[in-house]
Amino acid sequence: AQSVAQPEDQVNVAEGNPLTVKCTYSVSGNPYLFWYVQYPNRGLQFLLKYITGDNLVKGSYGFEAEFNKSQTSFHLKKPSALVSDSALYFCAVRDGSNYQLIWGAGTKLIIKP
Amino acid sequence: GAGVSQSPSNKVTEKGKDVELRCDPISGHTALYWYRQSLGQGLEFLIYFQGNSAPDKSGLPSDRFSAERTGGSVSTLTIQRTQQEDSAVYLCASTPRGVAGGLDEQFFGPGTRLTVL
Repeated sequence: AQSVAQPEDQVNVAEGNPLTVKCTYSVSGNPYLFWYVQYPNRGLQFLLKYITGDNLVKGSYGFEAEFNKSQTSFHLKKPSALVSDSALYFCAVRDGSNYQLIWGAGTKLIIKP
Repeated sequence: GAGVSQSPSNKVTEKGKDVELRCDPISGHTALYWYRQSLGQGLEFLIYFQGNSAPDKSGLPSDRFSAERTGGSVSTLTIQRTQQEDSAVYLCASTPRGVAGGLDEQFFGPGTRLTVL
């Protein structure tokens, strides 16, 4: 069965420091991986996706994620955090045979000035 | 252009009442999803519409839940005889293409917060 794990309920980072939000997955076929962000009182927004090709994917707002097949991970990263990055981040996965996305429980990212 | 819209933004109802939640997808998007987001949980898939095909209702939690999509555009999610456990944020999303575009990003509406007293 497909599954996604976001092991951290909350991540705290000081502004200007690098940030990482972790995601691991389990699918039976080739994984297609997504990150979405949910700002307070706003809808979910797409950040980036990995379909195939380069393992390092760049997305919106300076975020990037690295696909690691051997570790079945797709961690979200940013070199220098901004207070405005504070939000709820969701990782999602699907395999090639299913259009449904399986979502992680979300990680609350708090960036402190 | 206009994004996905949902109404109402908030709904408070009494246990046992019926509620209807509405979603207007982006014009021209053929696929539409409904999700439920409970506090501290990820998104729970409810139902998927793709063009004129029969919807995938596999995520609906009980027969009290139903949804329809008229004219391939607006969708309504109906919950009959609401229960307190139905309290959650109900999200709608659309994509330009359906199964063929399963790798497309999903565009989400702002959600409807349902509170069942």
